[in-house]
Parts: sequence; C-alpha cells; structure tokens
Amino acid sequence: DAGVTQSPTHLIKTRGQQVTLRCSPKSGHDTVSWYQQALGQGPQFIFQYYEEEERQRGNFPDRFSGHQFPNYSSELNVNALLLGDSALYLCASTFYRGPSTDTQYFGPGTRLTVL
Amino acid sequence: GENVEQHPSTLSVQEGDSAVIKCTYSDSASNYFPWYKQELGKRPQLIIDIRSNVGEKKDQRIAVTLNKTAKHFSLHITETQPEDSAVYFCAVISSGSARQLTFGSGTQLTVLP
Repeated sequence: DAGVTQSPTHLIKTRGQQVTLRCSPKSGHDTVSWYQQALGQGPQFIFQYYEEEERQRGNFPDRFSGHQFPNYSSELNVNALLLGDSALYLCASTFYRGPSTDTQYFGPGTRLTVL
Repeated sequence: GENVEQHPSTLSVQEGDSAVIKCTYSDSASNYFPWYKQELGKRPQLIIDIRSNVGEKKDQRIAVTLNKTAKHFSLHITETQPEDSAVYFCAVISSGSARQLTFGSGTQLTVLP
C-alpha cells in the first residue's frame, strides 16, 4: 500500500521565479491538503483539493495556486517567489467521509530554498 | 479561526521518566485532536489521535487526554526512550467542510540516556 509521495525532494530557486511541487496521495485517498512548514514552526494550511476543486484556502496570497488531477494527484504552484517562501512544503491526504475518517497522512515534503 | 497553543516549547527528560505536553484550543466546535511526531528532516507521523466523544485514549506508552470543557488536551509518554526524541506537534480539526489541521508550535523533546 503506497503512502503519500512528493516530488522533488529538494529544490533551489531564485527570487521571482516560479515553482511547481507534486503530490500523489495514499492509495484510496481522494482529498489532498497542502501545508507550509517554516523552520522551527508548525505546518500552516495552504489549501485543500477535493474532486479537482479547491475546497478551502488558508491565509496565503494568490501567488499560491494548485490543481488536482482526475487520479487525485495534486500540484502546488508558487509564482514570483520571495525569500520568505523558503520552507518545507508538505502534502497530506485523506478520504473524508465522516468524523471517523479524517485522519491525514503526510508525505515526506519538498524542501524549497529561495535565494 | 482556530488558535492552538502548545507548551512547553522544549522538554528534556531522563530515560525512563514520563513526558507531558499540553495544548489548548479556541474553537469549542473542534472535534478531532491528533498528535504528530516529526524527526529531523522527516515527515510528521501520526502517533495517536482522539475524538471529542472520548476523554482518554492509550496506545502502549503513549496516551492522550481531552478536557472539552477547558478546551485542552495533553500527550503523555511513559517510560521514555532515546528514540522518543523528536519534535511533537498537537493539531486540531474544527467542524467545517475542509477539515484542515491547525497545528501548535511544537515541542522539542529530548530524552537523555
């Protein structure tokens, strides 16, 4: 049973560039959430995708956008990169069908460094 | 929105002793409370969770207690071992369509041999 996978593992970009991160959910899961984890802090919710649509969004600017594909995999895009975007980007998946099924499982993350 | 506070930020214990980490939350409608362990450079891993209809849950050396009235929940680790050393995060899911996790700021637990 494959867990949540993410690519790439590490990425180095310069200010102003654009980046795309990818996530494949755990087998059987259809909902993908993205989180940003700055060094020394807890993960912060960016947005969640379900049925190929953004279901909810956290307090992040429009530079952060996403997509979900019919196979439930997802992409996170960040435009006009800032130094402050340097962080570990985590993807979490779940199959939510009620209060007993909302456990979220995390991928290994993508470490983004903006120079 | 939901606000989660976690204490302490760092905790050192001797091997074999117990460790307790506490979190408070603001939204009384919150109904799911997971704890994640994150080792350096690794993904957060779910170690235990509790739902709002349960007051306590135990899994071997790990237990979580929930006080809905006071809006706080705690992680208890007994007979600590060096491999328990990591950052521990509490999290909360509030009622709502997205069921997103709101995390505490983390506790760096160090178990001294």
